[in-house]
Amino acid sequence: RKEVEQDPGPFNVPEGATVAFNCTYSNSASQSFFWYRQDCRKEPKLLMSVYSSGNEDGRFTAQLNRASQYISLLIRDSKLSDSATYLCVVPLSGSARQLTFGSGTQLTVLP
Amino acid sequence: DTEVTQTPKHLVMGMTNKKSLKCEQHMGHRAMYWYKQKAKKPPELMFVYSYEKLSINESVPSRFSPECPNSSLLNLHLHALQPEDSALYLCASSRDGTSSYEQYFGPGTRLTVT
Repeated sequence: RKEVEQDPGPFNVPEGATVAFNCTYSNSASQSFFWYRQDCRKEPKLLMSVYSSGNEDGRFTAQLNRASQYISLLIRDSKLSDSATYLCVVPLSGSARQLTFGSGTQLTVLP
Repeated sequence: DTEVTQTPKHLVMGMTNKKSLKCEQHMGHRAMYWYKQKAKKPPELMFVYSYEKLSINESVPSRFSPECPNSSLLNLHLHALQPEDSALYLCASSRDGTSSYEQYFGPGTRLTVT
C-alpha cells in the first residue's frame, strides 16, 4: 500500500459548489496531517493542519478518520480562486522526521 | 506571504557550471529542507538539516551538496548537473526536525540544465 493515496482528479466544479477530496494513508502511528494547496508553477502553501479528529477554517473543513486511515478536505461555496492542486501530507512510516506527499488532487472551479 | 525566501528565482546552467541556490528563513525554525519537484509530481525530499546538522540525505547524487551556515540559511551547491536535474527546487523550514510540525515553503528556484 502506498504511504499516501489521493484521487488525482481532475475535479471540475461550478462556482458555489461543495467538493470533497479523500486521502488514505498507511502510517497508523501518524499524529499529524496536513493539507497544502499548490498553484501552477508555485510553491505548496499550507492550507490546514489536523492533529485530532478534524479542523475547520472558514469554508474549509478537514476530517480525520483514524479507524479507516483517511482524511478528507471539504470545500464549501467554491470560488474561482480555489482552483489549484491539493496535496495531502502525512508523516512517513518509520520516520519521525519526514513527511510524505500525496500525488495531489487537481481542482478547477468553473464560472 | 512566505517567510522563506529563495534566490535566484530562475537559473539556467550548463553541465559544466558550478552554481548555488540560497534559502533564508526568519521564523526561528530549527529545521530546513531541500526538495526537488518535477512537473505534475509531488515534492521529493533531498536533504534535512536539524539544528544545523545534516540529519537526512535521501541518497542524493554528490553533484548536489548542501550547506547550512547557520540556523537561518541553507545553501545547495550544484556542480556537473545533468539535464534530468532540471526541476523546481524548493526550500522549506519547520519548527524542528520532526514530522509533527508544519513545513513552510519558499517560492522555489526553477532550474534548467542545458
